Amino acid sequence: QQQVKQSPQSLIVQKGGISIINCAYENTAFDYFPWYQQFPGKGPALLIAIRPDVSEKKEGRFTISFNKSAKQFSLHIMDSQPGDSATYFCAAGIQGAQKLVFGQGTRLTINP
Amino acid sequence: GAGVSQSPRYKVAKRGQDVALRCDPISGHVSLFWYQQALGQGPEFLTYFQNEAQLDKSGLPSDRFFAERPEGSVSTLKIQRTQQEDSAVYLCASTKSVGYTFGSGTRLTVV
Repeated sequence: QQQVKQSPQSLIVQKGGISIINCAYENTAFDYFPWYQQFPGKGPALLIAIRPDVSEKKEGRFTISFNKSAKQFSLHIMDSQPGDSATYFCAAGIQGAQKLVFGQGTRLTINP
Repeated sequence: GAGVSQSPRYKVAKRGQDVALRCDPISGHVSLFWYQQALGQGPEFLTYFQNEAQLDKSGLPSDRFFAERPEGSVSTLKIQRTQQEDSAVYLCASTKSVGYTFGSGTRLTVV
């Protein structure tokens, strides 16, 4: 019940296209859903996060869509650029507990 | 400092050796976390400190793993009698409230 399932494992998108990564969770107690970006040899960096009281949050080219009833959330990267090539992780947590459960990651490649 | 600093960046240990991994969080960050990241996987929670108090150590895989943060700032993760399955990147993160800042990690290889 603590798992967060992420798909796809890898994704190739043409420059300028839309990259979409999906995550699903089981634990309805989760109330905080961040996305992290990780480059090789670096730690994950927080991109954007959402709480379940909103269905969408946008920051620049990055948008999280959240479907509480389906227990799913997704990351959309608009106008994808080669510099977006990285591994992306979704995560879920309970605010009070602060620890996060991470998905397995999606390796995104943006072709120029 | 400006970010979370971890040392060493790389550590090669012989099986059975003890290792100590250091994390220097962002100044003023009350909460500190340790995660283990196996190759090609997402980070997995190990333990959590609020100031010097270890509030959650449910993710530590065995009693060979021990973490401390005696003065509420720098933290050390110690692994005793290392085994090959301990090979991973160990990530430290800190936060003041919400939203972690991760360090670059320590890559531990047990041979």
